[in-house]
Amino acid sequence: AQSVAQPEDQVNVAEGNPLTVKCTYSVSGNPYLFWYVQYPNRGLQFLLKYITGDNLVKGSYGFEAEFNKSQTSFHLKKPSALVSDSALYFCAVRYNYGQNFVFGPGTRLSVLP
Amino acid sequence: DVKVTQSSRYLVKRTGEKVFLECVQDMDHENMFWYRQDPGLGLRLIYFSYDVKMKEKGDIPEGYSVSREKKERFSLILESASTNQTSMYLCASTHLGTGADNEQFFGPGTRLTVL
Repeated sequence: AQSVAQPEDQVNVAEGNPLTVKCTYSVSGNPYLFWYVQYPNRGLQFLLKYITGDNLVKGSYGFEAEFNKSQTSFHLKKPSALVSDSALYFCAVRYNYGQNFVFGPGTRLSVLP
Repeated sequence: DVKVTQSSRYLVKRTGEKVFLECVQDMDHENMFWYRQDPGLGLRLIYFSYDVKMKEKGDIPEGYSVSREKKERFSLILESASTNQTSMYLCASTHLGTGADNEQFFGPGTRLTVL
């Protein structure tokens, strides 16, 4: 069965420092991997996705993510965090020829000034 | 600018009431989804639809039904609301395309409270 794990409920980082939000997955077949962000009282917004090719993908707002097939991970990163990055982040996976997305439980990122 | 809209941001209903949550997308997307979001559980799929009048059960369909009479509109129905259906409900849509690589677009959510 497909599953997505985000091992940290909460990540705290100081403004200006690099941030990492972790995601690991378990799927059969080739995964399509996504990151979404949710600001308070808003729906989810798409950040970036890995489909194929270069393992490092770049997305919105300066975020990037690295696909690691051997470790079945897709960690979200940003070189320098902003207070405005504080939000709830969701990792999601979709597999070949499937219709459904599977979401992780979410990680709350707090960037402290 | 692509848009998914939901009929209400906040809704308060009483136990036993029939509740309708409406979702409309203007992107001509084939696929539409209803999720509920609960703290620590992430998003759980209730139902999805890949075409007009087509529907498939997701992971937690019990107590819910859906309707898709037009391509742009996907409705979630709680036949008899219960307190354990208090949650944030999110609608999403995606283009079918040639594979599974298209991201979803989400509405702003409806926070439903059942008293």
